Amino acid sequence: AQRVTQPEKLLSVFKGAPVELKCNYSYSGSPELFWYVQYSRQRLQLLLRHISRESIKGFTADLNKGETSFHLKKPFAQEEDSAMYYCALRMDSSYKLIFGSGTRLLVRP
Amino acid sequence: GAVVSQHPSRVICKSGTSVKIECRSLDFQATTMFWYRQFPKQSLMLMATSNEGSKATYEQGVEKDKFLINHASLTLSTLTVTSAHPEDSSFYICSVPGLAYNEQFFGPGTRLTVL
Repeated sequence: AQRVTQPEKLLSVFKGAPVELKCNYSYSGSPELFWYVQYSRQRLQLLLRHISRESIKGFTADLNKGETSFHLKKPFAQEEDSAMYYCALRMDSSYKLIFGSGTRLLVRP
Repeated sequence: GAVVSQHPSRVICKSGTSVKIECRSLDFQATTMFWYRQFPKQSLMLMATSNEGSKATYEQGVEKDKFLINHASLTLSTLTVTSAHPEDSSFYICSVPGLAYNEQFFGPGTRLTVL
């Protein structure tokens, strides 16, 4: 069955420290992976998608099909990065998203 | 991207009553909309896909007679929680897919509390 796993419920780091939010997926087809972010009292919004191979707000994520992972990384965390981060999988030929359980990132000053 | 609104933002109702939640795509015509449910400190779970002009597609385990979905126009989908019970208390979120379906635009959510 298709599944997205985010093993960490909470990740707490100090400002300026590197950040890696883990995401693993289970899907036998050709996946599309996304990271969505939800800042305090705001709606869920797209942060980045693997097909774009982009860096948004200093965050990057590389799809590793061998390890079935799509970890989100940022070399130097900022306080404004504190938010809830969700990894999501879109299966081929489908519009549906399957979300992971989310990781709360807390960046301390 | 699409701007998505939901109404109401929060609702409190008595057990046994029905509650209607609206999802509107304000600047984008959407033949498809999605309804999610989010329990406290848990992830979003897709409940159903709302299809304009046809029946909604429900995910496994979601009671279609309990959660009625109507997608009467290209800008409006409604979710009606019928005969609500306390266990239906949750955060309900809708989304609209982008043009290429490689992004979804989410509404702000509706918090339902059933007493």
